[in-house]
Amino acid sequence: AQSVTQLDSQVPVFEEAPVELRCNYSSSVSVYLFWYVQYPNQGLQLLLKYLSGSTLVKGINGFEAEFNKSQTSFHLRKPSVHISDTAEYFCAVSEDSGTYKYIFGTGTRLKVLA
Amino acid sequence: GAGVSQSPSNKVTEKGKDVELRCDPISGHTALYWYRQSLGQGLEFLIYFQGNSAPDKSGLPSDRFSAERTGGSVSTLTIQRTQQEDSAVYLCASSALRGVGNEQFFGPGTRLTVL
Repeated sequence: AQSVTQLDSQVPVFEEAPVELRCNYSSSVSVYLFWYVQYPNQGLQLLLKYLSGSTLVKGINGFEAEFNKSQTSFHLRKPSVHISDTAEYFCAVSEDSGTYKYIFGTGTRLKVLA
Repeated sequence: GAGVSQSPSNKVTEKGKDVELRCDPISGHTALYWYRQSLGQGLEFLIYFQGNSAPDKSGLPSDRFSAERTGGSVSTLTIQRTQQEDSAVYLCASSALRGVGNEQFFGPGTRLTVL
């Protein structure tokens, strides 16, 4: 069965500093990987996704993620964060079969400090 | 255009009562998903509808939970005899097509509190 692990429940970082939010997954079949962001009192918004091809994926708001098949990871990075990036970030996996439902990680709360 | 909408935005109910949560997907989206977001638990898949196919109910936690989708559009999630552990945010998502990498668009959720 597939699963997604986000080891860091909270990540505090100062404004303009770089950040990496970690995501590891397990699956026995091909997967598609997603990062969603949830701002306070709002719904989930897609940041970026990996389907195939280049392992470095660029998304909105200056975020990028790298798919590493050997390490089964899909870490999210941003070179310089802003206060407005404060939100909860969810990594999700969808298998190449069936319903394409998402399996989500438990989320990482990013808090950007002034 | 309009996104996914859900109603009510908040629902407070007493233990043992039944509740209905509604989802209006984006017009033309054939796939519809329900998820549950519990504190510290992340998002948990509940049920999936695709066109006229039989729904995938594999994520429903008990037989108190059911859902239907009428006319391939609006969906209602029903929880019977609610329990305190049902308290969570219930999220609905829709996507245009079933298949590889189709982005799911999420509604704002319904926050359910069972007293």
